Amino acid sequence: DAGVIQSPRHEVTEMGQEVTLRCKPISGHDYLFWYRQTMMRGLELLIYFNNNVPIDDSGMPEDRFSAKMPNASFSTLKIQPSEPRDSAVYFCASRSDRAAPGELFFGEGSRLTVL
Amino acid sequence: GQNIDQPTEMTATEGAIVQINCTYQTSGFNGLFWYQQHAGEAPTFLSYNVLDGLEEKGRFSSFLSRSKGYSYLLLKELQMKDSASYLCAALDSNYQLIWGAGTKLIIKP
Repeated sequence: DAGVIQSPRHEVTEMGQEVTLRCKPISGHDYLFWYRQTMMRGLELLIYFNNNVPIDDSGMPEDRFSAKMPNASFSTLKIQPSEPRDSAVYFCASRSDRAAPGELFFGEGSRLTVL
Repeated sequence: GQNIDQPTEMTATEGAIVQINCTYQTSGFNGLFWYQQHAGEAPTFLSYNVLDGLEEKGRFSSFLSRSKGYSYLLLKELQMKDSASYLCAALDSNYQLIWGAGTKLIIKP
C-alpha cells in the first residue's frame, strides 16, 4: 500500500512567488494534517482536515497561507506571496479514524527554500 | 501552557542501552507517543502509551507515569541505524499532538 505522497520534494523559489505543495493521503484515512518543521521551532501543526473539512487552522501563520482538500485523495497548501522566513520542510500526514489518535503517517516532506 | 521537555542530544555506544526521557505538561492527556526521525526523512511512529507502565516492542520499550507527567523510551542492543532524532509527543484534551523538540541520538562504534 502506498504511503502519503507529497510533491514537490524540493522547491527553491524567490521571495514574492506563489508556492503550491501537494499531498495525497493514504487511501481510507479520514484525517489529513499539514505540519512545518524548522530547526528553531520544531514540528508545528498548520492545519488539519477531517473527512475533507478543515477543522483547525489556528496554526496557519497568516493570510499568506491557505490549504484546501477538494476530495479525500488530495490536498494543497499554498503560500502567496512567499517570504524567506517560510523556508522549512513541510510535511503532510494522515491517519485513520480506527487507529490511535496520535498515530500519524507522514509523507517524505517538501523542502522549501525561499530566496 | 503546554510543554514537552526532552534532552537535546545524547550519545551512546553500539550494543549498549539508552534511555531517552520526556516530561510533559498538557491541558488534559490522552496518550504519549514516540516517533523516530532519521536526518532528512519523515517522522515514523514507534510506540504509544495511554496507561501507566511499560510497553515493549522488540528492542524498543516505552514507559509512562501519568501522575508524574513522565515517559521514557528505552532502546536496547543499540545499532548504528538507531542514530536518529526521537520525538516525544503528548495528546492533549482536544486530541491534538503537542510535540517535543526531539532528542538527537548519536551512536558510536
